[in-house]
Amino acid sequence: QKEVEQDPGPLSVPEGAIVSLNCTYSNSAFQYFMWYRQYSRKGPELLMYTYSSGNKEDGRFTAQVDKSSKYISLFIRDSQPSDSATYLCAMTGAGKSTFGDGTTLTVKP
Amino acid sequence: SAVISQKPSRDICQRGTSLTIQCQVDSQVTMMFWYRQQPGQSLTLIATANQGSEATYESGFVIDKFPISRPNLTFSTLTVSNMSPEDSSIYLCSVDDRGNYGYTFGSGTRLTVV
Repeated sequence: QKEVEQDPGPLSVPEGAIVSLNCTYSNSAFQYFMWYRQYSRKGPELLMYTYSSGNKEDGRFTAQVDKSSKYISLFIRDSQPSDSATYLCAMTGAGKSTFGDGTTLTVKP
Repeated sequence: SAVISQKPSRDICQRGTSLTIQCQVDSQVTMMFWYRQQPGQSLTLIATANQGSEATYESGFVIDKFPISRPNLTFSTLTVSNMSPEDSSIYLCSVDDRGNYGYTFGSGTRLTVV
């Protein structure tokens, strides 16, 4: 069983929709949680990071962490075609980083 | 955050040959990381490269197949040796310029072995 499981997708939504991207994990040593965005033919770009349980907001993006349930989410409000990309969750702890497989999102105009 | 220049961006290679991928960072960093990303799969760490010491390889990756150089604090190379079609993948270098809060990645090298 993988330490990090990410909702596989792909997701296709109309412009303006709210998008929810989700990951679960099994390793309690993970303490730091990140979301990366990867456009086609580009490297992953760090989008958001958080340490504690709760919500962290940055513009249209909200990262949510629930350590008790070992569940993290990324919400995108008012989604735009420019948000079309693959989103990777990642977690760090005990000297290691582990990435989810990614969810590919397409936002249709 | 650091800026990473990775090249080549893509290449098509014959089986049995080798390809060296270069990664240049605009600031000095202690550790550089090399990842492989296969379609639809997560990033897999190949090795960690520290300046002045041998690279540390993850399970399933060996130095003979993926030799790494790290001559200074801003540069590293990864060589994919004796390539086979199974080596076709995207190879990424990264640095942990944010500590525990994530990595900065290069733009990747898309390798196709025919």
